[in-house]
Amino acid sequence: DTAVSQTPKYLVTQMGNDKSIKCEQNLGHDTMYWYKQDSKKFLKIMFSYNNKELIINETVPNRFSPKSPDKAHLNLHINSLELGDSAVYFCASSPPTSGVETQYFGPGTRLLVL
Amino acid sequence: KQEVTQIPAALSVPEGENLVLNCSFTDSAIYNLQWFRQDPGKGLTSLLLIQSSQREQTSGRLNASLDKSSGRSTLYIAASQPGDSATYLCAVFDSNYQLIWGAGTKLIIKP
Repeated sequence: DTAVSQTPKYLVTQMGNDKSIKCEQNLGHDTMYWYKQDSKKFLKIMFSYNNKELIINETVPNRFSPKSPDKAHLNLHINSLELGDSAVYFCASSPPTSGVETQYFGPGTRLLVL
Repeated sequence: KQEVTQIPAALSVPEGENLVLNCSFTDSAIYNLQWFRQDPGKGLTSLLLIQSSQREQTSGRLNASLDKSSGRSTLYIAASQPGDSATYLCAVFDSNYQLIWGAGTKLIIKP
């Protein structure tokens, strides 16, 4: 019944490892997003995909690579993890752009890099 | 470039009080403004959405106002309860179809 789901919910890993976070939405939305929440709770957009195509790619290290196999999924793959990557990552989705928008968020994935 | 600021960063009030959270944005060219709450360890919950043509929206004990010309929005919470304790985030949907976020106000309601 969950609208936007993320797995895993918690991820603890060593520096230098490669990891992926999965996101799925069952709302039929066209656009999906990845956000990073920093230590001050500020949400920063990382990527936005519309119909499997990248439309927003903010300044993030190229170690971060989003993958959208279909409209309902947007996975985040991170190579060579660093300590500074520790944060909570949120996935979101939104319906077709019409000027009346709400983003629906997943529960977040808490990443801790040791 | 759109910037969203929320004041105060943290607020602690006794249960039962009415309170106001503030949000300001620098560019009035927005489609809408939303208020969210975030609970520790949980995702974001959308509370209220105000279209750019609207002045306010109400949901239960919550009332959000929007003044586009001055770049301000307020979230009014009536008769606060301990369950209202959370971080409240304001976000504007700008002309580039991006949701621009404030840093949030951490609200603590003391029983």
